[in-house]
Amino acid sequence: EVQLVESGGGLIEPGGSLRLSCAASGFTFTNAWMTWVRQAPGKGLEWVGRVKSKTDGGTIDYAAPVKGRFSISRDDSKNTLYLQMNSLKTEDTAVYYCTKVRTGGFDIWGQGTMVTVSS
Amino acid sequence: QSALTQPASVSGSPGQSITISCTGTSSDIGAYNYVSWYQQYPGKAPKLMIYGVTNRPSGVSNRFSGSKSGNTASLTISGLQAEDEADYYCSSYTSSSTWVFGGGTKLTVL
Repeated sequence: EVQLVESGGGLIEPGGSLRLSCAASGFTFTNAWMTWVRQAPGKGLEWVGRVKSKTDGGTIDYAAPVKGRFSISRDDSKNTLYLQMNSLKTEDTAVYYCTKVRTGGFDIWGQGTMVTVSS
Repeated sequence: QSALTQPASVSGSPGQSITISCTGTSSDIGAYNYVSWYQQYPGKAPKLMIYGVTNRPSGVSNRFSGSKSGNTASLTISGLQAEDEADYYCSSYTSSSTWVFGGGTKLTVL
């Protein structure tokens, strides 16, 4: 079964750090471009960042609001995607989804993990 | 990168057709055929409905179709059904090597 399962969310104080994980199964993770998308409570979807496959150069791009604070990485040996979030702000509160990129869209989504930044 | 512009809400009666628009710029929708549409029920993860402007993933009803003209993309749902009531989001690749989403449209089936 094709599946993405996120973990690592929780309650964190402003200025803190958190690392999210996304375990992939059912497809060839090594060849996949992967992204993180977030959704603040009651709000729309917001693209966070993307990592290409290593065979395509492994390039990573970020959305402006998280650039310099968030870092995406992947461990192809573990079929796992990561999102390291530093200097967290209250406006980073959201459900974080990992998704698989296909040409022209995001075809597989995880169930999401909630991150709450609050004192 | 500014969000793509979608109407906040649309509605239609069962059996009717509705169209949701998604307006961007010459740096995103107008530049690439990488527009996609997502359906999201409350508390659930989004689901890909259309990719590459006009393509439907396996398993998605052919009542869903996509198109693009200039800087505006559209999602059309024909033969509206109660189960289509959900939030819909468009997305596009951009010239900055990023992606951008629309603000979302709430579809109400009357």
